[in-house]
Amino acid sequence: QKEVEQNSGPLSVPEGAIASLNCTYSDRGSQSFFWYRQYSGKSPELIMSIYSNGDKEDGRFTAQLNKASQYVSLLIRDSQPSDSATYLCAVSDSSNTGKLIFGQGTTLQVKP
Amino acid sequence: SQTIHQWPATLVQPVGSPLSLECTVEGTSNPNLYWYRQAAGRGLQLLFYSVGIGQISSEVPQNLSASRPQDRQFILSSKKLLLSDSGFYLCAWSLNLGYEQYFGPGTRLTVT
Repeated sequence: QKEVEQNSGPLSVPEGAIASLNCTYSDRGSQSFFWYRQYSGKSPELIMSIYSNGDKEDGRFTAQLNKASQYVSLLIRDSQPSDSATYLCAVSDSSNTGKLIFGQGTTLQVKP
Repeated sequence: SQTIHQWPATLVQPVGSPLSLECTVEGTSNPNLYWYRQAAGRGLQLLFYSVGIGQISSEVPQNLSASRPQDRQFILSSKKLLLSDSGFYLCAWSLNLGYEQYFGPGTRLTVT
């Protein structure tokens, strides 16, 4: 059973701090990695994609990938109350079916 | 740009009644289409995916079925709903297998 593991949280950070969200995956052949943000009652929204080892930055968001350790992370700098949401990590299934395997999500709370 | 629609937005149905949820994508051709269910406080469960008209792959044996009568239309159906079918149903599309998936606004189904 291919799995994606995330700490469910909640992760609580003060406004302006760096939030660090982590994800591990079991499928060593996964090639694509994604972070989605889901506000309560809404559908998931893609915020970051990463395909190669290292860091990828987009505004206040940085995704980090380490395929050897099967580890993906998302850093949110200068956290804002509007960042309070559940963050879902997803990785591609190496069986070439096109499926993504989602983690259960980490709930982030940014306190003013 | 691409847009994905789902309807209805909310639905309350009695146990044993039929179900039909519709998803339509605009602005792209031959998308890969997916149906997910998210139970309250739970992760995303992939139900069906389709790589082309008439091509449906089922992930979880259950009383649901899916059809793709047109290139950009994906329908989720049931002949008789169970209480356990309650949840948030999400349709998603992608251009390439194993890459970014984009979600529709979802249908919240309550089976009473």
